[in-house]
Amino acid sequence: AQSVTQPDIHITVSEGASLELRCNYSYGATPYLFWYVQSPGQGLQLLLKYFSGDTLVQGIKGFEAEFKRSQSSFNLRKPSVHWSDAAEYFCAVGAPGDMRFGAGTRLTVKP
Amino acid sequence: DAGVIQSPRHEVTEMGQEVTLRCKPISGHNSLFWYRQTMMRGLELLIYFNNNVPIDDSGMPEDRFSAKMPNASFSTLKIQPSEPRDSAVYFCASSRQGYSNQPQHFGDGTRLSIL
Repeated sequence: AQSVTQPDIHITVSEGASLELRCNYSYGATPYLFWYVQSPGQGLQLLLKYFSGDTLVQGIKGFEAEFKRSQSSFNLRKPSVHWSDAAEYFCAVGAPGDMRFGAGTRLTVKP
Repeated sequence: DAGVIQSPRHEVTEMGQEVTLRCKPISGHNSLFWYRQTMMRGLELLIYFNNNVPIDDSGMPEDRFSAKMPNASFSTLKIQPSEPRDSAVYFCASSRQGYSNQPQHFGDGTRLSIL
């Protein structure tokens, strides 16, 4: 079965600074990869997904993620963080018949 | 477009009582998921339906939990009898046909507190 790891439980960045959230997965083939964001009191919202093709994918709210097969990673990036980006971020990995969510990374944005 | 609709948004009840959570998926979505989210255990998949049929209920914690999907536009998650350790946020999500290759659309959740 595949697994997904988000090594950082909590990250704090200053507003305007760049952001990278890490996601590593374990699976024998290329899985389907997703990033979701959860704002307080709300459900998860899809930011972006990767199935195949260009390894750099663009999502909503100015986020992008890069799939690196050699590192089994799918890190989420944003060049300039806004205060409204403070939330919890989940990486998810899908393989036939299975879907796994990471434990999440909580992002705090300092003014 | 209406998203996934869950009710109630909050539920507070005493242990031993029956609790019923409701979900209306997005029209046209064939797959429906129930999740539980807690600080200790994170997001856990409880059960997954495809075309109204339960496919994987291995995440249902015990016999006190049951879920039904009588039609394509409605699902319930029932806990009977409820216990304090069932306190959590319960999410319903839906997606187009498929499980691992389709993004899921989540409702805003039901925050359940069992006293």
